[in-house]
Amino acid sequence: EVQLVESGGGLVKPGGSLRLSCAASGFTFSGYSMNWVRQAPGKGLEWVSSISSTSSDLYYTDSVKGRFSIFRDNAKNSLFLQMNSLRAEDTAVYYCARHYGDNFAFNIWGRGTRVTVSS
Amino acid sequence: EIVLTQSPGTLSVSPGERATLSCRASQSVSSTYVSWNQQKPGQAPRLLIYGASNRATGIPDRFSGSGSGTDFTLTISRLEPEDFAVYYCQQYVTSPPAWTFGQGTKVEIK
Repeated sequence: EVQLVESGGGLVKPGGSLRLSCAASGFTFSGYSMNWVRQAPGKGLEWVSSISSTSSDLYYTDSVKGRFSIFRDNAKNSLFLQMNSLRAEDTAVYYCARHYGDNFAFNIWGRGTRVTVSS
Repeated sequence: EIVLTQSPGTLSVSPGERATLSCRASQSVSSTYVSWNQQKPGQAPRLLIYGASNRATGIPDRFSGSGSGTDFTLTISRLEPEDFAVYYCQQYVTSPPAWTFGQGTKVEIK
């Protein structure tokens, strides 16, 4: 079964750091670009970051540039999001999502991990 | 920055009826880059349509997508009980590479 499972969320104080992980299974992880998408409480979806299959291309939404870093370990079928200098507005459920082949859509999503930034 | 605006915000429909959801882009977008996702409460999103009109694997044919330029539409021909959810359009922007979502349309039972 194709699956993505996120972990690493939790409660963190403003200015703190957190590392999210996404474990992939059931497909050839190294062959796909991957993404992080977040959803603040009661709000819509917001794309956060994307990484190509070989890690050669990294992209971020403006609000997280310089604070978040996306990386992956293809040998361990894992995706990561290192989040530093966290703000209250980063509070959200964070989903990892896989590209749909060469299409510009995301067809496999994890169930998400919740991040709460609060003092 | 290209902004996606979805309408209506909430659509009240009876089971068996047709639902038409709109997604308008602030600038012309390649249809190749437009997709639609469904999200039910407490669940992850699910891809329905990619490339504006192509159904993703396993998606019933009552879901269809259309449109070009700045106006895109998701149509659900006959609403089933499991179709009541929030629907998001999504676009890819090439320079710099990024994805954006519309604010969502909630389809609720009338």
